[in-house]
Amino acid sequence: GQQLNQSPQSMFIQEGEDVSMNCTSSSIFNTWLWYKQDPGEGPVLLIALYKAGELTSNGRLTAQFGITRKDSFLNISASIPSDVGIYFCAGRNYGQNFVFGPGTRLSVLP
Amino acid sequence: EAGVAQSPRYKIIEKRQSVAFWCNPISGHATLYWYQQILGQGPKLLIQFQNNGVVDDSQLPKDRFSAERLKGVDSTLKIQPAKLEDSAVYLCASSAIPGQGAGETQYFGPGTRLLVL
Repeated sequence: GQQLNQSPQSMFIQEGEDVSMNCTSSSIFNTWLWYKQDPGEGPVLLIALYKAGELTSNGRLTAQFGITRKDSFLNISASIPSDVGIYFCAGRNYGQNFVFGPGTRLSVLP
Repeated sequence: EAGVAQSPRYKIIEKRQSVAFWCNPISGHATLYWYQQILGQGPKLLIQFQNNGVVDDSQLPKDRFSAERLKGVDSTLKIQPAKLEDSAVYLCASSAIPGQGAGETQYFGPGTRLLVL
């Protein structure tokens, strides 16, 4: 079945730094979603992407739908302590259900 | 707009016991999903409903798991009997656009944390 890989698995950054993470698929997707999950909570939708090459921003977050349709990227600018959490990507192709990556765990050091 | 509601938030049971989880999706959302999230992993789909009908239950362990959405709104997920490996977070999600359609976006509830001893 489809599998998603996320990298890095975890990262420690200083407050104020920019963050980049990515998600790759073995299959072509037509939709990518990025979520953030805080401890003890459900995933919260950050950004949705529906077109190859699309670049979408949500505040300090920017995500891109890769041209190959097999990858997506999430960038966070000027990180702050509340950015701490696990970031999940999810993707799917038409007629299929979403599959989720294993997540990137972000820690922000003051 | 109220989000996806789930209860209970936490549940501790012994193996071989039964447990049930409840979900109320966002008002007007026709599609409802149940996911299982094992510690350190991403959510894995168990079952998808469109209104009160099952669209996809291919990954639901049907020997012990069951789910229903009788009136096309609330849903319950049951495990009977529970095993140690069922310890996980059970997430409910809903979407407005019929599942698998263009522009679909899923919204998650807070989850139910199950510990099987």
